[in-house]
Amino acid sequence: GQQLNQSPQSMFIQEGEDVSMNCTSSSIFNTWLWYKQDPGEGPVLLIALYKAGELTSNGRLTAQFGITRKDSFLNISASIPSDVGIYFCAGREYGNKLVFGAGTILRVKS
Amino acid sequence: DAGVIQSPRHEVTEMGQEVTLRCKPISGHNSLFWYRQTMMRGLELLIYFNNNVPIDDSGMPEDRFSAKMPNASFSTLKIQPSEPRDSAVYFCADRDSLTDTQYFGPGTRLTVL
Repeated sequence: GQQLNQSPQSMFIQEGEDVSMNCTSSSIFNTWLWYKQDPGEGPVLLIALYKAGELTSNGRLTAQFGITRKDSFLNISASIPSDVGIYFCAGREYGNKLVFGAGTILRVKS
Repeated sequence: DAGVIQSPRHEVTEMGQEVTLRCKPISGHNSLFWYRQTMMRGLELLIYFNNNVPIDDSGMPEDRFSAKMPNASFSTLKIQPSEPRDSAVYFCADRDSLTDTQYFGPGTRLTVL
């Protein structure tokens, strides 16, 4: 079946640093989505990407849809303590189903 | 709009009991998904509906699990009988077809003793 590899699994960063995480797929996706999950809550959509090469920003967050359509990255600039959480990538190959990465746990040292 | 609504937020029950989880999607979003999240397996899709019709239930772990969507504004996921290994957080999500994005509810944390 479809495989999504998300890395890194977890990271500690210093407040103010930039963060980068990425996902790679064994399949070509038509849509890439990035979510953030806070403890005790459901995943919240951060950014949606629809075309190969697309670069989209949402405040300090920037995500790109890879040219091969098999990868995507998410960057967070100037991290702050409230960036702590789990970040998930998700891809849609066809139909309505999403495939999710295992998540990147972000911990910030204040 | 209040977003996707799930109830209860927490459920503790004993093995063998029936558990019913409820979901109200955002009005106008025609696809609904049930996920299960555990540390070991991450987010797993259990079943999804389009226009109230079950499309793919291949993720439902076994016959003890069933899901219904009697109308566009309500869905249930039932576990009967429940087992300790069913302990997890269960999420309902819906899909905005205009933006091809899914929106999650806050989840139900189920503990089966």
